[in-house]
Amino acid sequence: KQEVTQIPAALSVPEGENLVLNCSFTDSAIYNLQWFRQDPGKGLTSLLLIQSSQREQTSGRLNASLDKSSGRSTLYIAASQPGDSATYLCAVFKGTGNQFYFGTGTSLTVIP
Amino acid sequence: DVKVTQSSRYLVKRTGEKVFLECVQDMDHENMFWYRQDPGLGLRLIYFSYDVKMKEKGDIPEGYSVSREKKERFSLILESASTNQTSMYLCASSLEYDEQYFGPGTRLTVT
Repeated sequence: KQEVTQIPAALSVPEGENLVLNCSFTDSAIYNLQWFRQDPGKGLTSLLLIQSSQREQTSGRLNASLDKSSGRSTLYIAASQPGDSATYLCAVFKGTGNQFYFGTGTSLTVIP
Repeated sequence: DVKVTQSSRYLVKRTGEKVFLECVQDMDHENMFWYRQDPGLGLRLIYFSYDVKMKEKGDIPEGYSVSREKKERFSLILESASTNQTSMYLCASSLEYDEQYFGPGTRLTVT
């Protein structure tokens, strides 16, 4: 079964720093990978979707990369702001059985 | 703009009650999902549906059932609520092989 790991579980940075969140998965046979943001007590908001044939996707200050062969993805956040404080989850989709596998997330705190 | 709505944000029920959680999407998506989210365990799939009246069990279906009579609506039913079903319940939908869109979640407490 696909295992998805996100390390660290929590991260605290001062405002303005650039930071990288990590996601690793055990089975490289994926169809796509999705990054989400979750605010406390709320649902998940989709940030970026990377297809297996792509290397990266960008949206504003966010850049997600995918290295399928090594089973890794990173989410880069430039010039972090207090409003970026949230939990960030990654999920991989194997393309069969409509199963998405989620990591347990990285809780990010950006200190003003 | 895509939208997934859930019938309640917060719900408090007693042990043994029958509980209905409803989810509606307005994107004409074929696939709909019910997850529960617990601290330290992440999101776990309860059931998913790939078409009207079609469903498949996820990782933790015990104690739950689902209903999908219309394409836009997917209901999760707790036949006899128990305290270990206290959790955050998240509904999602997707087009085939595409990204998932989530609802705001229902925080269910069973006392």
